[in-house]
Amino acid sequence: AQSVTQLDSQVPVFEEAPVELRCNYSSSVSVYLFWYVQYPNQGLQLLLKYLSGSTLVESINGFEAEFNKSQTSFHLRKPSVHISDTAEYFCAVSDPLRGGATNKLIFGTGTLLAVQP
Amino acid sequence: ETGVTQSPTHLIKTRGQQVTLRCSSQSGHNTVSWYQQALGQGPQFIFQYYREEENGRGNFPPRFSGLQFPNYSSELNVNALELDDSALYLCASSLARTGFGYTFGSGTRLTVV
Repeated sequence: AQSVTQLDSQVPVFEEAPVELRCNYSSSVSVYLFWYVQYPNQGLQLLLKYLSGSTLVESINGFEAEFNKSQTSFHLRKPSVHISDTAEYFCAVSDPLRGGATNKLIFGTGTLLAVQP
Repeated sequence: ETGVTQSPTHLIKTRGQQVTLRCSSQSGHNTVSWYQQALGQGPQFIFQYYREEENGRGNFPPRFSGLQFPNYSSELNVNALELDDSALYLCASSLARTGFGYTFGSGTRLTVV
């Protein structure tokens, strides 16, 4: 079965500093990977996804993640964080369901990014 | 284009009671998935409905059940509530066979006392 590991439960960082949130997944064929962000008392918002093609994927708000098959990693990075980036970040892998037409998501335990002024 | 809406937003129930949570899918989406997110944890897959039938189930007991209606809205029912059922319940809709565009609702916070 697929699994996702986020080793850091919390990452404190100062505003305008770079940050990396780590994510490792269990090896599988045709893996599809996601990063979701959850602000307090809200649902999940898709930040970015890797389905195929370029191993470097970017979001509209400056985050990027690189798919590394040899290291089974999909780390999330941002060169300069803002106070507004403070949130819980979840890495997820897609797992096919019966018939192959649909999938479920398997999430990691999350990383709280705490940006300090 | 409307997003995914869930109701109610908050709910308090007593152990042993039954609860029904509701979800309206994003317009055009035909698949609904439910996730349970306990405090401090990542979301856990409960089940998915596609074409009004259960299309997959996570490691949850039978007292967790669901429905999908012809308009693709969905319900999650939990019988015989236990204290450990206290969690944020998230609904996500998607369109089968088109990739991996899941849209999540804001969730229902269930507290069992």
